[in-house]
Amino acid sequence: GAGVSQSPSNKVTEKGKDVELRCDPISGHTALYWYRQSLGQGLEFLIYFQGNSAPDKSGLPSDRFSAERTGGSVSTLTIQRTQQEDSAVYLCASSLAGGTGSYEQYFGPGTRLTVT
Amino acid sequence: AQTVTQSQPEMSVQEAETVTLSCTYDTSESDYYLFWYKQPPSRQMILVIRQEAYKQQNATENRFSVNFQKAAKSFSLKISDSQLGDAAMYFCAYRRGQNFVFGPGTRLSVLP
Repeated sequence: GAGVSQSPSNKVTEKGKDVELRCDPISGHTALYWYRQSLGQGLEFLIYFQGNSAPDKSGLPSDRFSAERTGGSVSTLTIQRTQQEDSAVYLCASSLAGGTGSYEQYFGPGTRLTVT
Repeated sequence: AQTVTQSQPEMSVQEAETVTLSCTYDTSESDYYLFWYKQPPSRQMILVIRQEAYKQQNATENRFSVNFQKAAKSFSLKISDSQLGDAAMYFCAYRRGQNFVFGPGTRLSVLP
């Protein structure tokens, strides 16, 4: 079956512009996660969705970052007034359940964002 | 808060040899799950192996096996008969409920 997809795969934007990154999780996965990965670094947690609600937004680095999820499926991460330090790969992952079980996360291929 | 530590930023191994990547974690919980993920240059994260904390038996997946020491909170990954395709970043991860925590990663190089 289809895996997690993300679009665009690459995005170059000018400083100060807004960008939207999209994530399509695996069908039926109720949990969805966004991470940021700077070059050669580990994963920085941004936000977690269970269904359409976001019980954990603790990782969003500033109020320029926001995310929503609709219909328990597609999620959009929006970065307003982009800064050069926002340049990174943004990874999305989905999971069968957020509560219990050894459900691993399935990752998308990521969106590489470059702010010039 | 839970933390995951990978003390080896970089490792290298000769092709066909065995290498062990270390991971330690900190938690006060007794029921949780541990994972190793691989991220090749294509940047696609792939699950390598998982371990349920309530199971004493170490997980094995073909050439990949773990040494899970619950009391020591240690979860190392052993790769046997290393292949060139094993070259990647390896991340150790802890899960309890919806809380996933990743380590900083170990970059593994495989030398021909």
